[in-house]
Amino acid sequence: AQSVAQPEDQVNVAEGNPLTVKCTYSVSGNPYLFWYVQYPNRGLQFLLKYITGDNLVKGSYGFEAEFNKSQTSFHLKKPSALVSDSALYFCAVRESPAGNNRKLIWGLGTSLAVNP
Amino acid sequence: NAGVTQTPKFRILKIGQSMTLQCAQDMNHNYMYWYRQDPGMGLKLIYYSVGAGITDKGEVPNGYNVSRSTTEDFPLRLELAAPSQTSVYFCASSYYEGAVETQYFGPGTRLLVL
Repeated sequence: AQSVAQPEDQVNVAEGNPLTVKCTYSVSGNPYLFWYVQYPNRGLQFLLKYITGDNLVKGSYGFEAEFNKSQTSFHLKKPSALVSDSALYFCAVRESPAGNNRKLIWGLGTSLAVNP
Repeated sequence: NAGVTQTPKFRILKIGQSMTLQCAQDMNHNYMYWYRQDPGMGLKLIYYSVGAGITDKGEVPNGYNVSRSTTEDFPLRLELAAPSQTSVYFCASSYYEGAVETQYFGPGTRLLVL
């Protein structure tokens, strides 16, 4: 069965430091992987996705994510955190079309707090 | 484009009352979704639609109904509200880039059932 795990409920980082939000997944076929961000009292916003090709994917607001097939991970990263990055981050996965399952499976979210 | 819009933003219902959560998108997306978000539980898919006239159940459809008479609108109906339906509801629509789908979300409706 497909699944997504975000092992950390909360991540705290100082402004200016690099940040990592972790995500691991399980699918039977090839994965399509996504990161979304949710600011307080707002809907989710798309950040980036991995489909195929280069393992390092660059997205909005300076975020990037690295796909690691051997570790089945898709960790979200940013070289220098901003206080405005404080939000809830969701990882999601879907099998490639060969799996014939179109629904996204969502992680439970990781709350990122960037301290000034 | 306004993107995905939802109304109302907040509503309080009494047990047994009914209401319709409205969702509209102006991006001509075929796929639309309703999710509920509970604290610490992530997103749960309630219903989805792959086009006008076509709907299907998600993970947690009980107590809800949907319709999709147009591409733009995807209302969610609660017939007999229960406290367990207290949640934040998000509507999303999506487009395909090749074989890959990206979802876009509305701002949410916060529902409290007392």
